[in-house]
Amino acid sequence: DAGVIQSPRHEVTEMGQEVTLRCKPISGHDYLFWYRQTMMRGLELLIYFNNNVPIDDSGMPEDRFSAKMPNASFSTLKIQPSEPRDSAVYFCASSSTGTGTMGGYTFGSGTRLTVV
Amino acid sequence: EDQVTQSPEALRLQEGESSSLNCSYTVSGLRGLFWYRQDPGKGPEFLFTLYSAGEEKEKERLKATLTKKESFLHITAPKPEDSATYLCAVLGAGGTSYGKLTFGQGTILTVHP
Repeated sequence: DAGVIQSPRHEVTEMGQEVTLRCKPISGHDYLFWYRQTMMRGLELLIYFNNNVPIDDSGMPEDRFSAKMPNASFSTLKIQPSEPRDSAVYFCASSSTGTGTMGGYTFGSGTRLTVV
Repeated sequence: EDQVTQSPEALRLQEGESSSLNCSYTVSGLRGLFWYRQDPGKGPEFLFTLYSAGEEKEKERLKATLTKKESFLHITAPKPEDSATYLCAVLGAGGTSYGKLTFGQGTILTVHP
């Protein structure tokens, strides 16, 4: 298994532009999570999906952020318009409920976003 | 709201010098406590899950323990390759916390040869 695959690895964009981050979870995992990591705030959950359905988006900073999961093998996180304060590393992770108790997440390598 | 506090923020050890990292938590119905390791430029890597007080897990030089209020990650005779950020997280059972991990800020461990 190739693990959780995120693209791009690095993204530099100008303020006001639209940014789309992509994630392919591990096949068979029924949970998908989007986290943001900064030095100041650590890892923050933005949104998570169960069986492709958004369950909790209370961590999404504002309406500029949106996430979709059109099928079990693909998810996107979109920022429109982007702002310098959105600069961070964005991680996607997936997990499986297995026997009913969730195991550890498998994280992707992240997308380092810089908004100038 | 679930909360996780890790200490110390940073720890510098000499190779072979054993020590412990602390993770204190408050959670509504603990379903699991998780330890991760994160290397620079990479995503966190899962190490252990602990489910109930008194449980212990071991992996090479690492041993994780759990009480009702905190968890410890003990590092025995560390090597330079153990240098990383160690993250603690909890999975709660109440309300909207179902299914999502809450992470602490992490402890940056540096092991000098």
